[in-house]
Amino acid sequence: GENVEQHPSTLSVQEGDSAVIKCTYSDSASNYFPWYKQELGKRPQLIIDIRSNVGEKKDQRIAVTLNKTAKHFSLHITETQPEDSAVYFCAAKETTSGTYKYIFGTGTRLKVLA
Amino acid sequence: DTGVSQDPRHKITKRGQNVTFRCDPISEHNRLYWYRQTLGQGPEFLTYFQNEAQLEKSRLLSDRFSAERPKGSFSTLEIQRTEQGDSAMYLCASSGGGNEQFFGPGTRLTVL
Repeated sequence: GENVEQHPSTLSVQEGDSAVIKCTYSDSASNYFPWYKQELGKRPQLIIDIRSNVGEKKDQRIAVTLNKTAKHFSLHITETQPEDSAVYFCAAKETTSGTYKYIFGTGTRLKVLA
Repeated sequence: DTGVSQDPRHKITKRGQNVTFRCDPISEHNRLYWYRQTLGQGPEFLTYFQNEAQLEKSRLLSDRFSAERPKGSFSTLEIQRTEQGDSAMYLCASSGGGNEQFFGPGTRLTVL
């Protein structure tokens, strides 16, 4: 089955700097990769996603890149703000079982220092 | 609020007791998922329904766990004879057939 690894586990940046979180996956058949932001005590919220037929996707200060050959994808946040502080999870949609469940990484706690 | 809702939000129980959680998905979403999240970890898949049919259960799910979605709308997750290791956040998510899964606020279970 699919396995997703996420690094780093914690990341501190100064306000205005960029943050990069990286994930690798194991199943080359996976074709959809969402990123979720989870604030303390709240539900995970989708912030951006990418399909396997696209190499990069951008939405304002957030971008995701995908390297299918290397089986890794990354989240890029530019001009970070204190409200970006949260835990970020990457995921890969598993397709082999037919349930389309997500396999999540272990999360990155991002702290944006004012 | 038309998003996914879960009830209760918090549950404290004693070891050995049974608990039941409810999830109401977004209306007309035919896919429903249960995940479990422990501190410092990502959500971990438990089980999946398409309409009323339970199509997959994680191998990690012991026989003490059972889930239903009797009319293809809301779902319940029951844990029998709870153990301290069951303490976690139980998240429900639903999907309308597209890729995105919408998560509920979760039920935080504490087993004393």
